[in-house]
Amino acid sequence: EVQLSESGGGLVQPGGSLRLSCAASGFTFSSYGMSWVRQAPGKGLEWVSTIKDSGVNTYYTESVKGRFTVSRDNSKNTLYLQMDSLRAEDTAVYFCARRPPYTSGWYSFDYWGQGALVTVSS
Amino acid sequence: QSALTQPASVSGSPGQSITISCTGTSSDVGAYNHVSWYQQHPGNAPKRMIYDVSNRPSGVSSRFSGSKSGNTASLTISGLQAEDEADYYCCSYTRIDTLIFGGGTKLTVL
Repeated sequence: EVQLSESGGGLVQPGGSLRLSCAASGFTFSSYGMSWVRQAPGKGLEWVSTIKDSGVNTYYTESVKGRFTVSRDNSKNTLYLQMDSLRAEDTAVYFCARRPPYTSGWYSFDYWGQGALVTVSS
Repeated sequence: QSALTQPASVSGSPGQSITISCTGTSSDVGAYNHVSWYQQHPGNAPKRMIYDVSNRPSGVSSRFSGSKSGNTASLTISGLQAEDEADYYCCSYTRIDTLIFGGGTKLTVL
């Protein structure tokens, strides 16, 4: 059974940093691309970042470029999101999500974690 | 880039069919057959219901179907059931592995 479990959320002051982790199990983690998607309180979903299976290729939404860094450790089956220079508008639940193979809808998210709440406030 | 446009809410009675639209531009929905749809119940993670416009993942009810015409994609739910009451989001590929979501639609089963 595919399982994704986020951790590392919490309260941080504006300008601060936080690192989210997403522990994966039930599939060959190193063979799949992964993404982060966030949802501000009471709002819709927003794609944040993607990292391909090898970890070489990474992509970000414009609003987080230069502030967030996605990475992965395939030996630990773990995905990370390093968030620096945090702003109030980054407050959201952050979901990690798996990207399926190209033959099964690469441009979608087939499994999701339960999310980690990040609150940026003084 | 602005979010894809979805109606804020739709409603229907049990057994009826409803359609949720998702309007983008010629740079996203209109340019690629990579539209997906997600169902989200309150407090839960989203669940993929449709990918690549009209493909239904294993385990998803055949009552859910997707289509696209021009810059607008649609999700149709037939034989509406109480458990279908949820928020629904569309998502489209735009460029170089960038994805954009719609604002979401709240489905109420009357």
